[in-house]
Amino acid sequence: AIQLTQSPSSLSASVGDRVTITCRASQGISTDLAWYQQKPGKAPDLLIFDASDLETGVPSRFSGSGSGTDFSLTISSLQPEDFATYYCQQFNSYPRTFGQGTKVEIK
Amino acid sequence: QVQLQESGPGLVEPSQTLSLTCTVSGGSVSSGGYCWSWLRQYPGKGLEWIGNIYYNGGTYVNPSLKSRVSFSVVASKNQFSLKLRSVTAADTAVYYCARGGLLGDFVDYWGQGTPVTVAS
Repeated sequence: AIQLTQSPSSLSASVGDRVTITCRASQGISTDLAWYQQKPGKAPDLLIFDASDLETGVPSRFSGSGSGTDFSLTISSLQPEDFATYYCQQFNSYPRTFGQGTKVEIK
Repeated sequence: QVQLQESGPGLVEPSQTLSLTCTVSGGSVSSGGYCWSWLRQYPGKGLEWIGNIYYNGGTYVNPSLKSRVSFSVVASKNQFSLKLRSVTAADTAVYYCARGGLLGDFVDYWGQGTPVTVAS
């Protein structure tokens, strides 16, 4: 199975900060990567698919990039509602796998 | 707007079978173009994709669970179901039903999740 390693595991940031989370795959996955946001007690929400395509309704401050083994999720100006845990997920091969998550906390 | 709702017992005894049902509204489990999926999230927050069932009855199951998992669809009730046999404490998790793309690629709609504890 393809392993996804996210970094950092957690970070503290302030409202208005630019935040970048990275996801590294154990082998090349082209652009077959999605990003999700999860708030406590809720199911994850799809933010980005195909590495860089924004899901309908997701604010434009979220962006994704990368291909092959290295990917990133960037929040250009962190808002109060963005404090959450973020997961990457690959769909290049079976079984589909997730990163371990990155928790974004308030500084 | 597609909505999914899981239902089933919150407590299952070790060695028994966990049975969960997902009721779909705002979309049809019989329509092509999507798959219907089960995922779970462990108490430590790790996410695992259990598998998919497709409109034509085809299924995919994560190899780590293949010998214990089965899926079914009841089109008349717009429901799909998961059975996980011979559960242990390691199966304690929040279970989600979800809609994925035709290739079972990523999830665009999730149920709210149902917590399941395996204990006697």
